Amino acid sequence: DVKVTQSSRYLVKRTGEKVFLECVQDMDHENMFWYRQDPGLGLRLIYFSYDVKMKEKGDIPEGYSVSREKKERFSLILESASTNQTSMYLCASSPTGPKNIQYFGAGTRLSVL
Amino acid sequence: EDQVTQSPEALRLQEGESSSLNCSYTVSGLRGLFWYRQDPGKGPEFLFTLYSAGEEKEKERLKATLTKKESFLHITAPKPEDSATYLCAVHHRRGNDMRFGAGTRLTVKP
Repeated sequence: DVKVTQSSRYLVKRTGEKVFLECVQDMDHENMFWYRQDPGLGLRLIYFSYDVKMKEKGDIPEGYSVSREKKERFSLILESASTNQTSMYLCASSPTGPKNIQYFGAGTRLSVL
Repeated sequence: EDQVTQSPEALRLQEGESSSLNCSYTVSGLRGLFWYRQDPGKGPEFLFTLYSAGEEKEKERLKATLTKKESFLHITAPKPEDSATYLCAVHHRRGNDMRFGAGTRLTVKP
């Protein structure tokens, strides 16, 4: 079974803090993704990566950065957390090819106070 | 711009009462339509992929169908354990990422 592991289920941070969300996948997938999920808005793509050290902006990259130093690990960084970044963050991975299904982690619920 | 719209936002059914969820989409060159199930506090779990109009997939009480403009997720004789949010997504024009609908929250009462 594909396993995507997010380092924290719940996080509480203060405004202005630098926040790291970590994601690890064990299926040697080329692609990895970070989404945020808010009620009524669905999943919105923040960043994705199709290879080590490669990244592309999604629909809402402002206020976020990412790092992919190893194939299995994709990190989301909030440089200076703000209250409007309180959300559920979901990481996903997928292989490249015609059946590139995305597999998701359990999510990290981040509260910024 | 690619768009995915799901309806209804919420659906309450009695156990055994069959119904359908709708996902309408506009995308330039469909490369796959995906259905996921999401339980509260968890990540989405993959259910089905459909690639071309007329295609159907089934899994237990769930059946997904696809036309050129929409997909339906039919739920036959649902049980309380089918209660979840069902998400629809299409492969975005960038190719490797997907655009998601806002989901339908299904509640099945015993």
